[in-house]
Amino acid sequence: DAGVIQSPRHEVTEMGQEVTLRCKPISGHNSLFWYRQTMMRGLELLIYFNNNVPIDDSGMPEDRFSAKMPNASFSTLKIQPSEPRDSAVYFCASSLKQNTEAFFGQGTRLTVV
Amino acid sequence: GQQVMQIPQYQHVQEGEDFTTYCNSSTTLSNIQWYKQRPGGHPVFLIQLVKSGEVKKQKRLTFQFGEAKKNSSLHITATQTTDVGTYFCGDTGNQFYFGTGTSLTVIP
Repeated sequence: DAGVIQSPRHEVTEMGQEVTLRCKPISGHNSLFWYRQTMMRGLELLIYFNNNVPIDDSGMPEDRFSAKMPNASFSTLKIQPSEPRDSAVYFCASSLKQNTEAFFGQGTRLTVV
Repeated sequence: GQQVMQIPQYQHVQEGEDFTTYCNSSTTLSNIQWYKQRPGGHPVFLIQLVKSGEVKKQKRLTFQFGEAKKNSSLHITATQTTDVGTYFCGDTGNQFYFGTGTSLTVIP
């Protein structure tokens, strides 16, 4: 298995533009997580899916952020409109089930100018 | 969301010295996992602790879960330059909240 795959690896966009980050979890994993990492705030949980259903989105910063998981092999995190303070590394992770090891993707480094 | 605090935030050690990072929660943790993130990399799983008072070892790394399941520690004996990175603890309850992380620098 190739592991958790995220795309793009790097994204530079102008303020106000829509940004879509993509994630392919490990096949057979039932849990998927989106995290945002910054120097100031560390590794923040944004949203958590279990069996494609969003379980907890309390970490989503505001309405500009939305996440979907249309099927077991694909998830997106969308920011619309983007702002400079959204600049961060966004990680997707998946795990077989609750309370098991989480496997992280390589991350997407987002820069909003 | 739940907050798991780690101390120290940063640690610089001479190669060969020991290192310890502590993970503290105000609420009881379900299970705790530890991850390591190399500079520029992504978090990689190290270990999971489940039982109160549990101690596990991986070569030079010793992991401990507190009796009340509200704290945990990671101790590295005789650090090496390959230990450089940020160490995170995470509560794996219903969600997956991570601690604030401890960034370790090892000076050769």
